[in-house]
Amino acid sequence: AQSVTQLDSQVPVFEEAPVELRCNYSSSVSVYLFWYVQYPNQGLQLLLKYLSGSTLVKGINGFEAEFNKSQTSFHLRKPSVHISDTAEYFCAAYSGGYQKVTFGIGTKLQVIP
Amino acid sequence: GAVVSQHPSWVICKSGTSVKIECRSLDFQATTMFWYRQFPKQSLMLMATSNEGSKATYEQGVEKDKFLINHASLTLSTLTVTSAHPEDSSFYICSARVGGRNTGELFFGEGSRLTVL
Repeated sequence: AQSVTQLDSQVPVFEEAPVELRCNYSSSVSVYLFWYVQYPNQGLQLLLKYLSGSTLVKGINGFEAEFNKSQTSFHLRKPSVHISDTAEYFCAAYSGGYQKVTFGIGTKLQVIP
Repeated sequence: GAVVSQHPSWVICKSGTSVKIECRSLDFQATTMFWYRQFPKQSLMLMATSNEGSKATYEQGVEKDKFLINHASLTLSTLTVTSAHPEDSSFYICSARVGGRNTGELFFGEGSRLTVL
């Protein structure tokens, strides 16, 4: 089985402050990991992905995430958030054996001016 | 590259009518497309996997006679909500996987907001 847990449903943060959105996964096999962003009434856009190689992955809009196999985590970080980062963020996992993408429940990031 | 377009973005219909939503891959061939449903403040629920030229594979609990999926070409999949009722009101999102890439990376359409009156 495969599951993704996003520990925080909502994260309020002041503009220009750093933020970390947490994601933990469980899988009996190797997984690929993703972070997607969803703006209101829109589809999902890929922020970044971990397939293999360096555990620190950089994505669009200044976001980065670190794959930690021992802690089965893939937390998303940004050193300084902007108002435009206000959105819903989804962590997702995929394994070739399971052949499906599993999404977390999402974390709503609210950037406060 | 890898752009997926969904149409319509918004649709309002009367109870009992059918609604068709289109999902197109604009710059690549998508042998596999996925249809999701998203309830307010919840994650995406996979409804079905659509494979070009074959029948869709539905997830447990999804009524295949109600949510008809057709994937007649490598760039188009359609979802038809038949005899829609207010409880079918939701945000429907399609996604596609680029052929030959088995990394799980998905490209999403813009979503379609269905409101059934």
